[in-house]
Parts: sequence; structure tokens; C-alpha cells
Amino acid sequence: DADVTQTPRNRITKTGKRIMLECSQTKGHDRMYWYRQDPGLGLRLIYYSFDVKDINKGEISDGYSVSRQAQAKFSLSLESAIPNQTALYFCATSEPGDTGELFFGEGSRLTVL
Amino acid sequence: DAKTTQPNSMESNEEEPVHLPCNHSTISGTDYIHWYRQLPSQGPEYVIHGLTSNVNNRMASLAIAEDRKSSTLILHRATLRDAAVYYCIPRRSNYQLIWGAGTKLIIKP
Repeated sequence: DADVTQTPRNRITKTGKRIMLECSQTKGHDRMYWYRQDPGLGLRLIYYSFDVKDINKGEISDGYSVSRQAQAKFSLSLESAIPNQTALYFCATSEPGDTGELFFGEGSRLTVL
Repeated sequence: DAKTTQPNSMESNEEEPVHLPCNHSTISGTDYIHWYRQLPSQGPEYVIHGLTSNVNNRMASLAIAEDRKSSTLILHRATLRDAAVYYCIPRRSNYQLIWGAGTKLIIKP
């Protein structure tokens, strides 16, 4: 089983719908992240959490919210999806420290019509 | 934040060494240089990182210029499984990772 699991892997939805992407990890890491990737581009950070009570906005948090339900679970929500939120979303975890290796899930592809 | 410049794509023959360059002329003295790669339809995976000295691990070697304004990721013997997008990322802390578009490495059999 994968250390970082994302569900769903693929989702097609309509404009205005509420969407939740879920991430769970078995690495035992306190730090978790949500990234967005658009075609041909690198990843951009949406939100990050250094522990259950510490949640922070990344560079592109507008239109998104998150919930850290437990050390192992970190969910990303789109309250009212719009077409320009169509993208590939990645969850990641890491150990503490500035050089801790990031471990990524396999991604959730979201299409907003 | 430090910016990076990488070739959009590179080609190499299977079983030959590959040198992937990265320019990061605005890097600060405390920024580590990280490399990740992303295989098709997968999440990124860590390759290697370093600060000032050259580094080796089971996947690759990282050669860092003395002035730290550039670095080179070296795959000693490329295989078809090394075909991926390689990202060079100056990094001070996790949440300050700035990902560029990376270099798409094409391996020819």
C-alpha cells in the first residue's frame, strides 16, 4: 500500500459544486501539504499543516479550504468549484526540518465543467 | 525567493550518463538545492539535495558549483525508467519550495 493515499484519483464535477479531496498517510509525519499542478508547470502550494493545530495558507489558497482531522488525514475542499480549478492536486508529507524529504501521493485529477 | 533556469527538455541514450544543469544565480547562502523528479502519471519523488559539497546517493550525484550559482544532477547510467521531468529547487524550508517547469528528460533506447 502507498504511504500517501489520495482519494478520489479522478473527479469530474460541475461549476458551483462542493468538492472534497482526501489525503491519508502512514508515514507518521506531522507535516502535510496540498499542492496544485497545471499542465506544463511546476507545483504550487495551496495549504500546509505542521501539526493538527497548525494550518497555514500557501501561495494560492483563495477558493480552497482545508481540514486536518488527525495526524494522518488532511483534506482539501473547494466550496464552490470553478473551471479554472481544473488541475492535478497532490498531497505530500514530510519530517520536520528544512531539508526533510517530501513524500507525495499519486495525485487527484479534478475537472470542473 | 531564488529562481531557477533549466532546459525545457534533454535527450540521452540509454545506459549513458546524463548531466542535467540548473542555474540558480539568486540563491541565498542558506538555501539547500533539492532535486525531485516526476515520472509520468505519478507524484514527484525526491532525488537528492545538497548545500555546498557534492553529494552522492543510490539514485544520482549532485555537483554544486563553488559559487553555488549553478548545479548539475548526474545520472551515471540512464535507463528508460529515468524518463521523467526533473525539478531543481532551491529550498530554505518546505513551505518555501518554488517549483519551476523542470527539464523533461527523454531516454532513447
